[in-house]
Amino acid sequence: LAKTTQPISMDSYEGQEVNITCSHNNIATNDYITWYQQFPSQGPRFIIQGYKTKVTNEVASLFIPADRKSSTLSLPRVSLSDTAVYYCLVGDLGTGGFKTIFGAGTRLFVKA
Amino acid sequence: GAVVSQHPSWVICKSGTSVKIECRSLDFQATTMFWYRQFPKQSLMLMATSNEGSKATYEQGVEKDKFLINHASLTLSTLTVTSAHPEDSSFYICSATWGDSNQPQHFGDGTRLSIL
Repeated sequence: LAKTTQPISMDSYEGQEVNITCSHNNIATNDYITWYQQFPSQGPRFIIQGYKTKVTNEVASLFIPADRKSSTLSLPRVSLSDTAVYYCLVGDLGTGGFKTIFGAGTRLFVKA
Repeated sequence: GAVVSQHPSWVICKSGTSVKIECRSLDFQATTMFWYRQFPKQSLMLMATSNEGSKATYEQGVEKDKFLINHASLTLSTLTVTSAHPEDSSFYICSATWGDSNQPQHFGDGTRLSIL
């Protein structure tokens, strides 16, 4: 299973763009990259998923370089409500026995 | 879409009792469900993976007789903490997916278990 490494914490101000990078040097060919957001005492929420290049949805963008050994979650114009823990996961979703292991995550604190 | 409901959200019980936690996929059929445990300020720790109609696969160090998992249908998985003790107090979270190569996990809101 590919292991992920993220910064433990990040601070930002409201209205700024936040980029959180995740390292996954041992990513396998079939692995997808998925990002989740977790608020205290809640289950994680899916943010975005990608395999290569760039993916964008209504809340975030995900940038994946050609070697796929890292990925960057970009949150445009963060607000106070974006204060949460963000997890990068790498796993093979295509086989019946797949599983994903959560890393430590990045604790984002958005200040006014 | 892709809603996972977990019940109860909070439970307090006496040491020695058994507690059952339910995880339901409300609008999709979950071929695979996962159970996690999370301590304060820590990441999620995978306890077991269950596929509908099959026995659960437990992670190393997780006692299968202590944490009974049943994935009896495509929409329901249960985790029973048997003879619970204070050290079993934790935040338990389930997730579900339908297993296609592009489908992420969808998580319940967790169950806060407190054993007195």
